[in-house]
Amino acid sequence: EVQLVESGGGLVKPGGSLRLSCAASGFIYSTHRMNWVRQAPGRGLEWVSSITRGSSYIYYADSVKGRFTISRDNAKNSLYLQMNSLRAEDTAVYYCARVARAAAAWNYGMDVWGQGTTVTVSS
Amino acid sequence: QSALTQPASVSGSLGQSITISCTGTSSDVGAYDFVSWYQQHPGEAPKLMIYDVNNRPSGVSNRFSGSKSGNTASLTISGLQPEDEADYYCSSFATSIPYVFGSGTKVTVL
Repeated sequence: EVQLVESGGGLVKPGGSLRLSCAASGFIYSTHRMNWVRQAPGRGLEWVSSITRGSSYIYYADSVKGRFTISRDNAKNSLYLQMNSLRAEDTAVYYCARVARAAAAWNYGMDVWGQGTTVTVSS
Repeated sequence: QSALTQPASVSGSLGQSITISCTGTSSDVGAYDFVSWYQQHPGEAPKLMIYDVNNRPSGVSNRFSGSKSGNTASLTISGLQPEDEADYYCSSFATSIPYVFGSGTKVTVL
């Protein structure tokens, strides 16, 4: 079964750090571009970050640039999001999602999503 | 990186057709034929319904169709069913970033 499972969420104080992980299974992970998308409580989807297959190209939303770092380990079939200097407005469910089609560009959309991990930033 | 603009809500009767608009700019929707649509039921992860403006992934009902004109993309749901009641989000490739999402539209089936 094709699956993405996020972990690492939790409660953190403003200014703190968290590292999210996403474990992939059921497909050849190294052949897909990957993404992080978040959803604040009662709000819409917000794209956070994307990474190409070999980590050559990385992109961030302006709202997280300089604070978040995306990375991947193809040997471990895993995607990561290091989040530093967290703010209250970073409170959200964080999803990892793969780009549809192996070796494809961004345009095919995100066809497999994890169940999400909740990050709460509060004092 | 402003969100694409969608109506907050759209409603329709069972069996009716509805259309959801997604308005961007000449730097995203208007510049590329790379618009996707996602369906999200409460408490669930989003599901890809349309990619490249008007292509359906395998398994998605042909009641869902997409189109684009200028800076505005649209999702049409024909033969509205109870299970279509959900939130819908558009997404587009944009200059310098792979994705920008729409503000979301809540679809209600009357």
